[in-house]
Amino acid sequence: EPEVTQTPSHQVTQMGQEVILRCVPISNHLYFYWYRQILGQKVEFLVSFYNNEISEKSEIFDDQFSVERPDGSNFTLKIRSTKLEDSAMYFCASREVRVATNEKLFFGSGTQLSVL
Amino acid sequence: DAKTTQPNSMESNEEEPVHLPCNHSTISGTDYIHWYRQLPSQGPEYVIHGLTSNVNNRMASLAIAEDRKSSTLILHRATLRDAAVYYCILRDGGVQWSGSEKLVFGKGMKLTVNP
Repeated sequence: EPEVTQTPSHQVTQMGQEVILRCVPISNHLYFYWYRQILGQKVEFLVSFYNNEISEKSEIFDDQFSVERPDGSNFTLKIRSTKLEDSAMYFCASREVRVATNEKLFFGSGTQLSVL
Repeated sequence: DAKTTQPNSMESNEEEPVHLPCNHSTISGTDYIHWYRQLPSQGPEYVIHGLTSNVNNRMASLAIAEDRKSSTLILHRATLRDAAVYYCILRDGGVQWSGSEKLVFGKGMKLTVNP
């Protein structure tokens, strides 16, 4: 089965540094998402992206966060100036079509971000 | 998204069927019932979804109550690999073009499978 690929699997950074998390969604998918999961907590929605623009974002997704689809295959999440509380597992997901009967999200294995 | 209620945890034995319940008493007529699971150190994984009729796929079956206020995910023969957190999520399928596209995860239910 096709997969969503995320790199790196682990990222360690210093507080205040910029990080870019990378994702390669499934090739014919049109909708892209970032979620995060702080250790021991729920999977939280960050942002959804369609047709080269953000379609929805959560309160967590403040000005420090941005997303981009720089080419036809990659989907990135940038955190401009990381804080300790940004430490979490970040999951990318993608979906094929906007039809209720086929709304299956495919998730990647995640990038564990540790901010020191 | 409408709320769902699941037990915090369940235990089952390997190779036995396991029924995972979910209550969604405030479900609306256009809400689809989705199940995802999250294995340890993995991203969530789609399991199954349905609207009114019972559904079967290679992973599981979904039994939906006639009034749609509850549903049950059925794993016909639990394996050790089925140990995961299972999420029952409602998604509004009625407003396709302007409704929220996201899935909202709750705490889910941790399934332990004993050898």
